[in-house]
This record gives sequence, C-alpha cells and structure tokens, in this order.
Amino acid sequence: TQLLEQSPQFLSIQEGENLTVYCNSSSVFSSLQWYRQEPGEGPVLLVTVVTGGEVKKLKRLTFQFGDARKDSSLHITAAQPGDTGLYLCAGTTSGTYKYIFGTGTRLKVLA
Amino acid sequence: NAGVTQTPKFQVLKTGQSMTLQCAQDMNHNSMYWYRQDPGMGLRLIYYSASEGTTDKGEVPNGYNVSRLNKREFSLRLESAAPSQTSVYFCASTKGVQETQYFGPGTRLLVL
Repeated sequence: TQLLEQSPQFLSIQEGENLTVYCNSSSVFSSLQWYRQEPGEGPVLLVTVVTGGEVKKLKRLTFQFGDARKDSSLHITAAQPGDTGLYLCAGTTSGTYKYIFGTGTRLKVLA
Repeated sequence: NAGVTQTPKFQVLKTGQSMTLQCAQDMNHNSMYWYRQDPGMGLRLIYYSASEGTTDKGEVPNGYNVSRLNKREFSLRLESAAPSQTSVYFCASTKGVQETQYFGPGTRLLVL
C-alpha cells in the first residue's frame, strides 16, 4: 500500500512567521499535488508538480518536488490568518488514475 | 456552471439501512472519484471511474458499490450501513490523470 505521510500534523503559528510542511513517501510518484481545504468544503488545488527537483511559487507559497519524486514540501513565507486550513498532498503513479492523499497538516495562523 | 454537486448534504441512517449518494459534474470530465474523510486520516479513495463505463476499487471499497450512470453522474451506494461508515464523503472529477481534481461540497453521513 502506498502511503504519503505529512508532517507536522498540526501547526499553530503567529502571523508573519514562516513554516514548512512536508509530504514523504517510500514510493515514487509521477506527479504530486497540494490542496487546501477549509471547514465544510472540499479541497481546492494549489499546485501540481511533475518533475523531480521542480520548484513552483504561488505568491507567498513555495512548493518543491524531491529529486527522486518521493517527497515534497510546501513553504509559506510570512503566514497570514487567511492561510489557515487543512493542507493535503496527493500523489499519482504512472499508469493509474488513482490519487493517494496524505494524512494532512492542519494549520492555524493567529493574528 | 455548477462544477461538482453532491446530494444529500447531510444524512442520518440507522445500522442496516441503505442509501445512495449522488454526484454530478458539468465540466465534461472523464474521470470521477469517491473519497471518505475521517478525522486525522486525510482522504481515502473508495472507488473511481477512469472513464464512462468503467469503475475500479480504491483503498477502502468494502461495504460500498458504485455506478457510473453516464459521463456526468457517479453514484455511491451503501447497501447495509454500519457505524464505521460514519464519515464525510467527497466526490471529485478530473479531465484526466495528473489534472486538477475538482471536489464537491461533501455529504456528511452519520450511522447510528
């Protein structure tokens, strides 16, 4: 069974601080996606990375795909209360339509 | 353009009762998915349909059945509900593999 483990599970920080969320697996993925989910809603895609070593930036969010395509990280600079939510990584493997989701990181940014 | 819609939004069942969760998308997507989300466990794939006319098991298919009624609609059926099936159920669709998954608002199910 493929597993995607996220760390930390919970994170509570002050506005303006930086943070990094990790998504790790022993399996190789052909693509890795990051989603954010707010209470009572479905997840919404933030980014997709497909190439080992790839770095993508979305305003204050920086996403990296590991060289071996087994891990990924999400770095948020100067966190804001609007960043509060559940962050989920999801991976796909070659030849399948299945997405494997990580366990999630619940982030709370305090004003 | 409503995206992905799910009905019902909430449901309470007694153990042993059956029900069908409905999902529809209006984006002309090929692939559709059913997930369940439990506290601390992220999203787990129940069943998926890569294209109209096909369905496949995901990580946790036991106790569920699905029907891809047409390209737009993908339903999830619980034949005999159990308390362990208390969860939030999300339907999602995507144009193809590695593409963006679009999620519905979820169905909150409580089995007593």
